Amino acid sequence: AQTIHQWPVAEIKAVGSPLSLGCTIKGKSSPNLYWYWQATGGTLQQLFYSITVGQVESVVQLNLSASRPKDDQFILSTEKLLLSHSGFYLCAWSLPGVQDTQYFGPGTRLLVL
Amino acid sequence: GDSVTQTEGQVALSEEDFLTIHCNYSASGYPALFWYVQYPGEGPQFLFRASRDKEKGSSRGFEATYDKGTTSFHLRKASVQESDSAVYYCASGTGGYKVVFGSGTRLLVSP
Repeated sequence: AQTIHQWPVAEIKAVGSPLSLGCTIKGKSSPNLYWYWQATGGTLQQLFYSITVGQVESVVQLNLSASRPKDDQFILSTEKLLLSHSGFYLCAWSLPGVQDTQYFGPGTRLLVL
Repeated sequence: GDSVTQTEGQVALSEEDFLTIHCNYSASGYPALFWYVQYPGEGPQFLFRASRDKEKGSSRGFEATYDKGTTSFHLRKASVQESDSAVYYCASGTGGYKVVFGSGTRLLVSP
């Protein structure tokens, strides 16, 4: 069975500090990977997707970047956090070649002060 | 661009009531439609999907039918339980890698 792990579970960071969030998928080969952001009480906003190692597409600009260094790993980062980056960050995966049905991880809660 | 509209921000019901959450989509192509459920502090869970007109998706007693004529995919359940209390999201995907989510509907079920 596939498992999806996100780290850290939660972070409290200062404005202007760097950030790195991670996501690992086990049990699926070459999945499509996605990052989402969810404001408190808000909807899910797709940020990035990746269909293969080393390739990442941006969906919306939020002063964030993403990378896929390994087949099973997806990283979200920024060099300088803004207050508006606070929220719930979710990683998701879908089967290769079957883009639509996405399965979400447990999320990372970020508070920027 | 594509969009999904959920008209109810919150729905309050009693156990065994009938549930309807409305979802309408706007898309240039022929999108796949989804329902997800999210419990507090967790990531959304996939409920079901439908990909063509008149197709019905269902799971855990919830169901929705793809209606291309009215561009709708309304979520229904005949008899809700307190454990169904959560936020429900309708979503649309065009077969590419982008998925658009609705604003979500919070369901509160009292015993």
